[in-house]
Amino acid sequence: AQRVTQPEKLLSVFKGAPVELKCNYSYSGSPELFWYVQYSRQRLQLLLRHISRESIKGFTADLNKGETSFHLKKPFAQEEDSAMYYCALSGMDGNKLVFGAGTILRVKS
Amino acid sequence: GAVVSQHPSWVICKSGTSVKIECRSLDFQATTMFWYRQFPKQSLMLMATSNEGSKATYEQGVEKDKFLINHASLTLSTLTVTSAHPEDSSFYICSAREGEGYQSYEQYFGPGTRLTVT
Repeated sequence: AQRVTQPEKLLSVFKGAPVELKCNYSYSGSPELFWYVQYSRQRLQLLLRHISRESIKGFTADLNKGETSFHLKKPFAQEEDSAMYYCALSGMDGNKLVFGAGTILRVKS
Repeated sequence: GAVVSQHPSWVICKSGTSVKIECRSLDFQATTMFWYRQFPKQSLMLMATSNEGSKATYEQGVEKDKFLINHASLTLSTLTVTSAHPEDSSFYICSAREGEGYQSYEQYFGPGTRLTVT
């Protein structure tokens, strides 16, 4: 079964501190992994996906198949990073997204 | 960028009535649209996948006769909650995908519709 686990409901850090939002997954095949972000009063939007290997807004995520993880990292948090972050998974057909429970990131000044 | 709209943004209806929610892709043609449901402080749960011109594929546990989905054109999908009950109150979110296949994974999300059934 497809499953995405985000163990932290809330992560609170100070501005300038490093951030790591954890995501673990369970999938029998080769998954596609995504991070979505939802800022206050805004719609869900794609932050990054593992196949593109991009760094968006300073965030990066590396797919670790051995640990079945796709943690989201940023070396220096900014206040504008405060949002809800969802890790999501789909199969190679890209037809169905399975979301984790989400982690609220709060960056304090 | 690709924009998806939903209408209405919020709706209140009486128990037993039906309510229709529209999802439109404004600047692209969506071969596939997805409908999600989100309970307060919970994640998004996929309800169904609809492809233009064909019947929707519902996830396990979702009543297809209660949640009617129509994807009549490449820019419009509708979700009708029939005979609504208070437990149907939720936040309904649609997303749309432009293409098909490996290179077209990105789903663009609508702003959501808040349904309250009294």
